[in-house]
Order: sequence, then C-alpha cells, then structure tokens
Amino acid sequence: EVQLLESGGGLVQPGGSLRLSCAASGFTFSNYVMSWVRQAPGKGLEWVSGLSSSGGSTDYADSVKGRFTISRDNSKSTLYLQMNSLRAEDTAVYYCAKDRSSTWGNFDHWGQGTLVTVTS
Amino acid sequence: DIQMTQSPSSLSASVGDRVNITCRASQSISSYLNWYQQKPGKAPNPLIYTASRLQSGVPSRFSGSGSGTYFTLTISSLQPEDFATYYCQQSYGTPFTFGPGTKVDIK
Repeated sequence: EVQLLESGGGLVQPGGSLRLSCAASGFTFSNYVMSWVRQAPGKGLEWVSGLSSSGGSTDYADSVKGRFTISRDNSKSTLYLQMNSLRAEDTAVYYCAKDRSSTWGNFDHWGQGTLVTVTS
Repeated sequence: DIQMTQSPSSLSASVGDRVNITCRASQSISSYLNWYQQKPGKAPNPLIYTASRLQSGVPSRFSGSGSGTYFTLTISSLQPEDFATYYCQQSYGTPFTFGPGTKVDIK
C-alpha cells in the first residue's frame, strides 16, 4: 500500500524558514516524479513544485520560485521542501503527491498534509 | 498559465440524482485533465485521470468525458458518501493548475 507521510509543518514568523519532509513507502520511490501541492485555509488547490525521479529536473510555481527548493533522497525514500523567506500567503496545508508514472502532474496518491502557518 | 474554470461552483442534490460538473480550460489541453474529490479535513482523492480513465478502486458511477477545452465529470447516481468538493486539474503543462472546485451538498 502506498503511503506518504508529511512532517515538518508548524508556526513560523514572516521571513523565516521551514523544511517539510515526506516519507514514502509501498512503492519504488526512485521511479516516480513527486510534487508538493498546497491549500490555503478555505481555498482551492495550488501546485507548488515538482521533481523528476532522479532529482535532476525541478519546476516551481512562480509564487514560490527563488524561495522554495524541492529535493529528494531516493536512498531514504523521502521528498523535501525547503521553504525560505516565508510570507503570510504561504500559510497552507502542504500535501506531498506521487505522480502516476514518469509523466508529470498526474497525481495518484496524496499524503495527509502538514499545516504551515506564517504569522507574527 | 492555463486557467481552469468549473461550473457550477456549488450544487444541491439528492441521493440517487445524476450530477454533472463541467470544467473548462483556457486553451486546449488535449486529454490531460484529472478529477479529484475532497472531503473536509482530508487530502484530495483521485477519481478520474486523462479525462476518462477511472482511478483504481473508484466506483463506476463516476465517469469523465471531454477533450480539448471542455470536460465533464458525471456521477450517475449520487450516494451519501459523494457529498464533497470536486476539483479538475490540468496536467498538460506547468504550472499545473486546478479549477476552483464544485461543492456538492445535500438538498
């Protein structure tokens, strides 16, 4: 059974940093594109970033480009999101999502999410 | 960026009703269209991918159709567990974008 377990969320001040982790199990992690998707309180879904199976190719939403960095450790089956220069508008539940295949953007499994709150 | 719109934004329906939700893309996305169901406090649950393919384990009362810029999610006979918010999402190109959601509640 595929499982994705996010951690690392919490309360942080504007301008601060946080690193999210997503521990994966139940599939061969190194074979799949992975992404982060967020949802602000009471709002819709926003794709944040994606990373190829090898880690060699990344992409970001314009809203986080230059501030967030996605990475992975295939030996640990773990996906990361380093978030710097956080803003109030980054407040959201952050979901880790597995892509269905080698193609990007087709999410077939999601974690339960971790809440990031940016406030002074 | 490709903009996704959905209609209606909300609807009230009864158990057993047939429900249609439409999704439009601001440009052609071929069949790169996915549908998700989300219940309060839970992660999105994949329903349909590449416009019409049913996610494993999803009941056959859910179906998807369309291509290009116009897509439809149909629930053939609404069940109590189907009351939720439904999102479409394009996977044609980054940034992958979602529709604003359609909330289905009980009439």
